[in-house]
Amino acid sequence: GQQLNQSPQSMFIQEGEDVSMNCTSSSIFNTWLWYKQDPGEGPVLLIALYKAGELTSNGRLTAQFGITRKDSFLNISASIPSDVGIYFCAGSNTGNQFYFGTGTSLTVIP
Amino acid sequence: NAGVTQTPKFRILKIGQSMTLQCTQDMNHNYMYWYRQDPGMGLKLIYYSVGAGITDKGEVPNGYNVSRSTTEDFPLRLELAAPSQTSVYFCASSQTSVQETQYFGPGTRLLVL
Repeated sequence: GQQLNQSPQSMFIQEGEDVSMNCTSSSIFNTWLWYKQDPGEGPVLLIALYKAGELTSNGRLTAQFGITRKDSFLNISASIPSDVGIYFCAGSNTGNQFYFGTGTSLTVIP
Repeated sequence: NAGVTQTPKFRILKIGQSMTLQCTQDMNHNYMYWYRQDPGMGLKLIYYSVGAGITDKGEVPNGYNVSRSTTEDFPLRLELAAPSQTSVYFCASSQTSVQETQYFGPGTRLLVL
């Protein structure tokens, strides 16, 4: 199957700091999604990207669809304690499924 | 709307036992999916359905079966449980295509001993 590499695997940051994480693929994708998963819950969609170069924001979150179509980036500005969780990227080409990254675990220290 | 609901929340099975994981959505979505999530890993697609009566294999279908007799329900069947099937199972749905937002259920934790 497709391999999506997410980095970093985990992050420990102070409240108020900005966060950056990325996701790279061995294949070209047409759609990139970013999800957040809280403990014991299902993933919740944060941002969807449909076009190479696209930059989309959702509150303090900004995500970009890489120009090569093989990568995507997620930034969180001014982190707060409720940002804690695991962030997953997911990509899809013209097939019928999304491939998920292994996740970035974020811990925000108050 | 309840969204996507899954039952049970947690189950312990013995090797060789069978069980059905239930998934129901009340959003009238055409597409439904089953994923498994192993510890520290991302989700992997087991099976998906693009509408009632239509199902197809995902990335890791071996050991599982599905059916889609109605728009609302998409049960996942394990016939002969194996320890390798210990995982958290998530059901999801989307309205008209894979490219749209998928809404996830809360998950079923399965332990096979």
